[in-house]
Amino acid sequence: DVVMTQTPVSLSVSLGGQVSISCRSSQSLVHSNGNTYLSWFLQKPGQSPQLLIYRVSNRFSGISDKFSGRGSGTDFTLKISRVEPDDLGVYYCGQGTQYPPTFGGGTKLELK
Amino acid sequence: QIQLVQSGPELKKPGESLKISCKASGYIFTDYAMQWVKQAPGKGLQYMGWINTQTGKPTYADDFKERFVFSLETSASTAYLQINNLKKEDTATYFCVRGTDYWGQGVMVTVSS
Repeated sequence: DVVMTQTPVSLSVSLGGQVSISCRSSQSLVHSNGNTYLSWFLQKPGQSPQLLIYRVSNRFSGISDKFSGRGSGTDFTLKISRVEPDDLGVYYCGQGTQYPPTFGGGTKLELK
Repeated sequence: QIQLVQSGPELKKPGESLKISCKASGYIFTDYAMQWVKQAPGKGLQYMGWINTQTGKPTYADDFKERFVFSLETSASTAYLQINNLKKEDTATYFCVRGTDYWGQGVMVTVSS
């Protein structure tokens, strides 16, 4: 299985600040069809995960442009700008290129 | 709007069985696969497998090939997860997921004697 490694495990940020989360995969996430199936999710306290970004850099419907994703191959980053209280929770990266889909261990975003 | 509404929390004893439902609305049920994800208390996300909503064929991840059964009631736009012979390590929240985009609210399952 593809191992997804997220860093850092936790992150403190001031309101209005900016943070980046790293996600690395043990194998390339480029599919044979040329797409890279790397997604980012946010799980707010007591809620189910919600999709933020799909295929590396595409924001899901209704997701603010304060969230941006980039990367390629095995190295990916989620950037969150203008952090507000509603952005707090655990962020997960996930890959769907190789079966079975796998997730990173999560990055907990907290207020400083 | 697209919704996946799951059944309520479960408290079971080891060895018992349970069946969780996931009712979809706001889209054509058979247009998207349904996936299942497990989250143990305080832990991350673990992929369990998926079911083809057109054919009903389930595919299980390695850790879920025994005791776990995915099924459908297509006429009711509902997917089910059955867990047989429950073990303490099945204590977790179970999510249904449409494709990779919409998630149910989760079902908390507690297995305790």
